Amino acid sequence: DTGVSQNPRHKITKRGQNVTFRCDPISEHNRLYWYRQTLGQGPEFLTYFQNEAQLEKSRLLSDRFSAERPKGSFSTLEIQRTEQGDSAMYLCASSSQGGFGEAFFGQGTRLTVV
Amino acid sequence: AQSVTQPDIHITVSEGASLELRCNYSYGATPYLFWYVQSPGQGLQLLLKYFSGDTLVQGIKGFEAEFKRSQSSFNLRKPSVHWSDAAEYFCAVGAGDSSASKIIFGSGTRLSIRP
Repeated sequence: DTGVSQNPRHKITKRGQNVTFRCDPISEHNRLYWYRQTLGQGPEFLTYFQNEAQLEKSRLLSDRFSAERPKGSFSTLEIQRTEQGDSAMYLCASSSQGGFGEAFFGQGTRLTVV
Repeated sequence: AQSVTQPDIHITVSEGASLELRCNYSYGATPYLFWYVQSPGQGLQLLLKYFSGDTLVQGIKGFEAEFKRSQSSFNLRKPSVHWSDAAEYFCAVGAGDSSASKIIFGSGTRLSIRP
């Protein structure tokens, strides 16, 4: 399978704990995006990488959130001191460089903070 | 600021009937426009996209969309829906230049199919 892979698919954590999600993009894609989706809403942009450089971060991405893409391949999204409001589906997508190429989405990681 | 509005939260149509899902965008320059579909438990799948050229674009699964600059709209249509089309549909606009590109999504329209 050469699609975008996200792990884990589901994560339940207690409030205050740290969590980390992983995204493996399509191998030849150099752009990688993170989005958050809550029930009944469209995906909200969180951050965007071109290769290993994080080029844009949404104001939605508070100081508790950090994303990395160390070698321009896989990416991790960490949430520190989780809050109940962080419960959502976290989506990763990748695309090739050159204008707005089609973004391919993973199936997401569903986070539940209890 | 760039934004996308999908005025219909939920639409129900009969199987075999035609479908039109509405989308309005706000963007200062020539927009890059997309329609994505999300089925339960599935990832977002691109149905079609508009960058330039012919304002009527064809997509997968028999869908098409028409870009109307004067109305700032990009409505999705299908002449005859199938039960398998029941899903959430998202309109999106590509924002920013090549150094800071992102896709902004609308809040979605849930499509139900009546047998």
